[in-house]
Amino acid sequence: LAKTTQPISMDSYEGQEVNITCSHNNIATNDYITWYQQFPSQGPRFIIQGYKTKVTNEVASLFIPADRKSSTLSLPRVSLSDTAVYYCLVVGSARQLTFGSGTQLTVLP
Amino acid sequence: DAGVIQSPRHEVTEMGQEVTLRCKPISGHDYLFWYRQTMMRGLELLIYFNNNVPIDDSGMPEDRFSAKMPNASFSTLKIQPSEPRDSAVYFCASSWTFLDRDEAFFGQGTRLTVV
Repeated sequence: LAKTTQPISMDSYEGQEVNITCSHNNIATNDYITWYQQFPSQGPRFIIQGYKTKVTNEVASLFIPADRKSSTLSLPRVSLSDTAVYYCLVVGSARQLTFGSGTQLTVLP
Repeated sequence: DAGVIQSPRHEVTEMGQEVTLRCKPISGHDYLFWYRQTMMRGLELLIYFNNNVPIDDSGMPEDRFSAKMPNASFSTLKIQPSEPRDSAVYFCASSWTFLDRDEAFFGQGTRLTVV
């Protein structure tokens, strides 16, 4: 079962790029990495998913280095509404699901 | 579609009572997941179903917990008897395929307080 480690919290200012890293040292070859966003009193919401190199969608990018021991969620030009908890999820090839402990991102004006 | 619908949103019950949480997944989704979220343990997968069949219940903490999915549009998570340590937010989520190829859509959650 892959274990994940994320920073507990991060602060940023509006308009900046934010990078949140998740470490998953024993990720299996076929594991995917997924990131979710959660606001207070709501369920997590999907942001992005990837397997290797780089994935980009309309809200974020996901960078996965060649050794796949970590992944980085990149949020371009954050706004106050991006203040939330961000979770990485490792989906194992044997269908194990391991959520990270979450990173509280606070965007300041 | 209205998304994943959970009921009730809040539940307060006394220790020893039976608690039933309900979930209506998004129509057409073949997978349904039950999660528990606490400050101490974060998000934990309790059980998931594929086409109404329980596939992995290894996350169910003990025999007091049970889950059913009698049809594609309804699932329940039951705790009997409930204990104060069961207090948490319980989320239901659904998806078309397993999460290695797909995103999960979460409900708003049920906040359970056992006193």
